[in-house]
Amino acid sequence: AQSVTQLGSHVSVSEGALVLLRCNYSSSVPPYLFWYVQYPNQGLQLLLKYTTGATLVKGINGFEAEFKKSETSFHLTKPSAHMSDAAEYFCAVSDQAGGGNKLTFGTGTQLKVEL
Amino acid sequence: GAGVSQSPSNKVTEKGKDVELRCDPISGHTALYWYRQSLGQGLEFLIYFQGNSAPDKSGLPSDRFSAERTGGSVSTLTIQRTQQEDSAVYLCASSSQSSSNQPQHFGDGTRLSIL
Repeated sequence: AQSVTQLGSHVSVSEGALVLLRCNYSSSVPPYLFWYVQYPNQGLQLLLKYTTGATLVKGINGFEAEFKKSETSFHLTKPSAHMSDAAEYFCAVSDQAGGGNKLTFGTGTQLKVEL
Repeated sequence: GAGVSQSPSNKVTEKGKDVELRCDPISGHTALYWYRQSLGQGLEFLIYFQGNSAPDKSGLPSDRFSAERTGGSVSTLTIQRTQQEDSAVYLCASSSQSSSNQPQHFGDGTRLSIL
């Protein structure tokens, strides 16, 4: 069974500073990994995904993530935070073994961006 | 183009009543998923439909929960004899196929409150 751990339920950064949101996963098969963002009263929006190939994945809004198999990590980064980045971020792993595409989510990280 | 549409956006009902939540996926998407987002449990998978195959109901928390998908498009999630612990945001997602590497597109959810 897959699992996802997001360290830090709340992260606060200054506008213009580096954003680093941590995600570690557990999977018995090569994982497919996703980062989603959720703004208040909205659904989840896909930021980026890793399936196969290049381990550094670029997504929307200047975010990127690097898949590190040796560390079982898929941390999300952005070089310079913007006020509009304030939201909740979820890391997820896809359940390949069971067929379909059931996602197992982490508990989320609330990102606050301060002036 | 049109995204995943969910209705109602908010639902308040009394304990013991039945509720129906509706999801209209993106046109042409064959896979449809229901998730529940609650404070205590985070984001949980409920049920998954793929084309005409039997649904994967492994995430439904009790037999009070059921879902159907008519004509391979619109889906209805039904909760019978609602309990206070059913209060949550119910999210629907669809994807173009059930492959594990396909991203899911989420609706804005239905916020269910049980009095």
